[in-house]
Formats: sequence, C-alpha cells, structure tokens
Amino acid sequence: AQKVTQAQTEISVVEKEDVTLDCVYETRDTTYYLFWYKQPPSGELVFLIRRNSFDEQNEISGRYSWNFQKSTSSFNFTITASQVVDSAVYFCALSEVSSGYNKLIFGAGTRLAVHP
Amino acid sequence: DAGVIQSPRHEVTEMGQEVTLRCKPISGHNSLFWYRQTMMRGLELLIYFNNNVPIDDSGMPEDRFSAKMPNASFSTLKIQPSEPRDSAVYFCASRSNSGGAGETQYFGPGTRLLVL
Repeated sequence: AQKVTQAQTEISVVEKEDVTLDCVYETRDTTYYLFWYKQPPSGELVFLIRRNSFDEQNEISGRYSWNFQKSTSSFNFTITASQVVDSAVYFCALSEVSSGYNKLIFGAGTRLAVHP
Repeated sequence: DAGVIQSPRHEVTEMGQEVTLRCKPISGHNSLFWYRQTMMRGLELLIYFNNNVPIDDSGMPEDRFSAKMPNASFSTLKIQPSEPRDSAVYFCASRSNSGGAGETQYFGPGTRLLVL
C-alpha cells in the first residue's frame, strides 16, 4: 500500500496565482514526521519543512504555508502568489517511529510549472 | 557551512564497468543515507549508516551494490559490474541525531549515472 500519495502529477499555473499541493499519508504509527522537499530543475533536493505528528499547527513561511490535518491524514502545501522560480517537483515524505525514523518514504512528487 | 558533497556529479560508463560514487556528509552528522531516484520507482532508500556502521541495507537491489563508510566524513557506493538498469540519480543524505532520530535529512546534489 502506498504510504504517501501525491495525487497531482503535474500542475500548471500562471504567475501570481495561488496553488495548493496535496499530500495524503498512511501510517499505523502514532508518532511520525512529515516533510516537504523541493527539487528544482537543477536536480538537488532542498528541504522545506518538517512537522511532527503531535504538532497540528499550521505554519507559514513567507509565501509558503502548510496545513496539517491528522483527521484526514493530510499535509498540504500552499504557495501564495506563485513565481516562476517556484517551478520544481515537490515531494512529500513520511518518517515513522517504527523505522526508527531512519527511512524517508517519499510520494511520487508533484511537478509545478509556473508560467509568466 | 558546506552541505553534503557528492562526486562525481555525472558519470557515464559502459555496462560491466565498476562505478564508485562518493559522499562527504555534513560535519557533525551521525547518520548517512544513500537513495536512488528513477522514473519508475521514484526515490527509494538503499542503505543507511549510524556512526559509520551499516544498519539497514535491505534496499540495496542486489549483490552488485555495496556501500562503505570508513570514517565519519566519507562514504562510497559501489556498483560492480554496472548494468544499464542502474542508470539513475543517486543521492546521499546526512542527518544529525543530536535532537533525536526524527531530525531532518539533508541531501547532496546527487550523482547522475548513465550506464550504456
């Protein structure tokens, strides 16, 4: 069973639009961490955010915001007023206590294209 | 501070040749991870080390793959002999465990391997 589902394969928006990237996860653990990484066209993986399962507060960092809802097992990522530089593949990942938090389980990624 | 360093960044080799990928983790990080990214399988964990000791190599695809960490600042992933299906991007990541095992994994720029 897929543990991290990013149902949106590709999203295309025009600059300045808001866009939300969905992430749904599955775990039997009560303690876990969720992450978002960005992979720009240059190929590196850039860490964006880490959230533990006991902290359901939403987080905002500049134009980025994250909505964590345990009731729906979702950890969605919103970019406000998107820019061309936001074009990248975004990965959601899960780390579970049952693996000693040693294994990051990645979703398939969502490719975001922001057009001028 | 320097991030995770990987070399080479690109490698093109012929089937049957030995390939060695190198990684220098972030100074002070206790854990090191090797991941592989392919279109078909996405990002998957191959092996990880804690304090230079291999802990879980269950993700290593077959005996042709081997990994070592002779000291805290260097690790290698070797493929011998290489096959075309090994073509992928190989990422190294490191993590500090000082704040607990759920800390963030920071990724290197990756090595893009093409086996002809």
